[in-house]
Formats: sequence, C-alpha cells, structure tokens
Amino acid sequence: EAGVTQFPSHSVIEKGQTVTLRCDPISGHDNLYWYRRVMGKEIKFLLHFVKESKQDESGMPNNRFLAERTGGTYSTLKVQPAELEDSGVYFCASSTWGLGEQYFGPGTRLTVT
Amino acid sequence: SQQGEEDPQALSIQEGENATMNCSYKTSINNLQWYRQNSGRGLVHLILIRSNEREKHSGRLRVTLDTSKKSSSLLITASRAADTASYFCATDAGSSYKLIFGSGTRLLVRP
Repeated sequence: EAGVTQFPSHSVIEKGQTVTLRCDPISGHDNLYWYRRVMGKEIKFLLHFVKESKQDESGMPNNRFLAERTGGTYSTLKVQPAELEDSGVYFCASSTWGLGEQYFGPGTRLTVT
Repeated sequence: SQQGEEDPQALSIQEGENATMNCSYKTSINNLQWYRQNSGRGLVHLILIRSNEREKHSGRLRVTLDTSKKSSSLLITASRAADTASYFCATDAGSSYKLIFGSGTRLLVRP
C-alpha cells in the first residue's frame, strides 16, 4: 500500500510569488490534514478535510493560504502571495477515521527568499 | 491552548542502552500518539495509545499513559544507532481531530 505522497519535496520561491503544494493521501482515507513546522517551532495543525469538505480550518494562518480537495482525493495548498515567514516544512497526513492514527507524508520544504 | 511538552529536549545514549522520553499535556484526550522523524524526513507513526489504556507495547517500544497526571512516556529498549531521530508526542484536542504536537526529544544513539 502506497503511503502519503507530497509534491514537490522542496520549493524555493521569492517573496510575493505563488506556490502550490500537493498531497495524495493513502487510498481510501477520507480524512486529510495539513500541518506545518516553521523554523524552531512545533508542528502546527492547519486544517482538516473529510472527503472534499473542510471540517476544521482553525489553524490556517491567514487568507493567503487556500486549501482544496476537489473530488475528495488529493489536496492542494496554495500560498499566494508567499511571505518570508511562510518558510518551513508543510506536512500532509491522512487517516481512515478521525481519531485514529494519522499517517504523514515526507513533507514539502518551502523556502521563501 | 493545549500543548504537549516532551522532556528531555535532547538525549544522548550508548547503543544497547534504554531511552526514555516523557510527554505532558494539558487537556483531556481521546488518544496519544508517538511519532519519529529522522533528519530531513517525514513523520513515522510509532504507536497510538487510547485514553483507557495504561500501557502498550510494539517491538522494542513501550508506551505508558497516565491520564491522572496527563503524561506519557516512550521507552525504547536496547537502542540502536538507527534509532537516532527526533521523537514527538501528539494528542488530539478532545473533540477535535487535529493533533497537537510537542516540541520533541532529539535522541542520539552513539555506536
């Protein structure tokens, strides 16, 4: 069974540019989560999808971040326009049910210069 | 807001020794999970312990949970150099499915 995959593994962009991160969850997992870790800080929750619906987006830092999960399969997280403080590692995770094990992808390291 | 806190922040041991990491949290939980992160890699799920469980084993891993003290410990027995990684505990927020992570313990196992 393939794990959670994320693309790209690393992205370097300039301040003001747009970046789109992609996450493919484990097949059959209805729950999909985005987290991020900025330098020196804890891993923080961003949002949670159940199928294509946003269940909890309380962790989204501001309206420069837009997450979608059309069709309830893969998800994208767009940052527009990117700021320096957005640099960090963005993780995606999926689970079969909400309170079960969450399986994480390898992360996308975003560097905004 | 709830936050898991691991201690120690860093731990250095000799191969073959046991490593114990502790985690404390602040609010009621449904379960607690432990993850490992090797340098530059993703998070690997190690073990999940439910709030009604007190101890759980998986291979060389032993996890305990004390809900009265709001704390958990992860014991790695007979450590190996490959166990070198950062270890995180993560709790759910009771009724929410999001995970709350601690700052992690950096474990170094010297060959």
